[in-house]
Amino acid sequence: EAAVTQSPRNKVAVTGGKVTLSCNQTNNHNNMYWYRQDTGHGLRLIHYSYGAGSTEKGDIPDGYKASRPSQENFSLILELATPSQTSVYFCASGEGGEQYFGPGTRLTVL
Amino acid sequence: GQQVQQSPASLVLQEGENAELQCNFSTSLNSMQWFYQRPGGSLVSLFYNPSGTKQSGRLTSTTVIKERRSSLHISSSQTTDSGTYLCAMERDTGYQNFYFGKGTSLTVIP
Repeated sequence: EAAVTQSPRNKVAVTGGKVTLSCNQTNNHNNMYWYRQDTGHGLRLIHYSYGAGSTEKGDIPDGYKASRPSQENFSLILELATPSQTSVYFCASGEGGEQYFGPGTRLTVL
Repeated sequence: GQQVQQSPASLVLQEGENAELQCNFSTSLNSMQWFYQRPGGSLVSLFYNPSGTKQSGRLTSTTVIKERRSSLHISSSQTTDSGTYLCAMERDTGYQNFYFGKGTSLTVIP
């Protein structure tokens, strides 16, 4: 009964296409985060949210949008995917300074 | 610049040896967290350690907030300890956001 789940786990997209990555958490945490992990860069924050209806820009938001329709769900949207967005994406939920991560989504943009 | 510096970048140990991993922060922080990641895997929280020393089995984490540093000590290493160890700092911005280090890659050989 994983507390943070992501879908899809793997995705191949074409340049210019729209991609939506989904995240669901059962921790009842107010805070949720989207990161990407790349060799040489580590984990970088894309967008985050403090609760349903809120989204905030992280350190590298360009080319990404986020949506938090409910406490449990947080989506990352690539309206026009580019090859530079090929990466592993992690969602996390958190409270009180702690974070809990999902299993990750491997996205390849051709 | 890099807000979180981890050292060493990589480490090879003989099974049974001890390891000391370091994390240094360039700015003030509220708290920090240590994670473990297998290749291709997600992040598993090891310690949420705002300050002081915490121990779990063979792992000990020590954080000194005023000196902006944290360490992770692994005693009597095992081959199953191999993987990447990441530290993350909670930024002192009034928001629960995090910077991550690039990680220490640990290989334990039998």
